Amino acid sequence: SSVLTQPPSVSVAPGRTARITCGGNNIAIRSVHWYQQKPGQAPVLVMYYDTDRPSGIPDRFTGSNSGITATLTISRVEAGDEADYYCQVWDSGSAHRGVFGGGTKLTVL
Amino acid sequence: QITLKESGPTVVKPTQTLTLTCTFSGFSLSTSGVSVGWIRQPPGKALEWLGIISWDDDKHYSPSLKSRLTITKDTSKNQVVLTLTNMEPVDTATYYCAFGHNWFDPWGQGTLVTVFS
Repeated sequence: SSVLTQPPSVSVAPGRTARITCGGNNIAIRSVHWYQQKPGQAPVLVMYYDTDRPSGIPDRFTGSNSGITATLTISRVEAGDEADYYCQVWDSGSAHRGVFGGGTKLTVL
Repeated sequence: QITLKESGPTVVKPTQTLTLTCTFSGFSLSTSGVSVGWIRQPPGKALEWLGIISWDDDKHYSPSLKSRLTITKDTSKNQVVLTLTNMEPVDTATYYCAFGHNWFDPWGQGTLVTVFS
C-alpha cells in the first residue's frame, strides 16, 4: 500500500523558488499528481503524470519524479501561490485505490 | 465544459446513513473511459480519497471505508450517488465529487456534512 509523505509547511519569499516534496514507497514508478487548494475553495489540479501541466496553469509550475521523491517546483513565486498543495497517486496494486499526501502549506513571506 | 455539484444534507445524526448526490454536466458516464470520484476533507485536515465509479460500473473503494461506502450511478440523470452508512462525528467533512480516475479535474465545489446529535 502507498503512504505519501509531505512536509507540513514550506515558506518562500516572493520571486524565489518553492519546492514541495512528496515521498513514498516506489514513488518513482508511480505517476504523481498535484493539487492546489486555496482557503474555502475546492482543489485544483496543477500537475498530472509527474510533469504534465493542465491548460491554464502557469509554466512557473513544474514537476519531477525521481528516486524516492516527487517534487512540485514553483518558480518566481507570487503571493497568489500561497495555498495548500497535495500530491496524489493511483495505487494500482492489490488495493486499486487513490492516495493523497498529507498536504503542504505554502507560505509566501 | 465539465461541471460537477454535490448536494445532500448538511447535518446527519450519528448512526444515520448519509446520501450525497453528484450532478454533473459536460460528459456522460456511459462514455468509455470516464470515471467520477469522491473525496472528503475534515475541517482543517487533509484530503481523503473515498472511491470512484467508472463508465462500465467498475468501482473501487477506500479499504478503510469499504464496509460502509457504496457509490452508484444514474447515467440517464447524469448523477453519481454516495452512500455512507453508520455515520460518526469523525465523518464530519466537506465531501467533493470530481471527474477522473487516476487524477481528478475538475472538482465540484464541495458540500460540508456535519455529524451532530
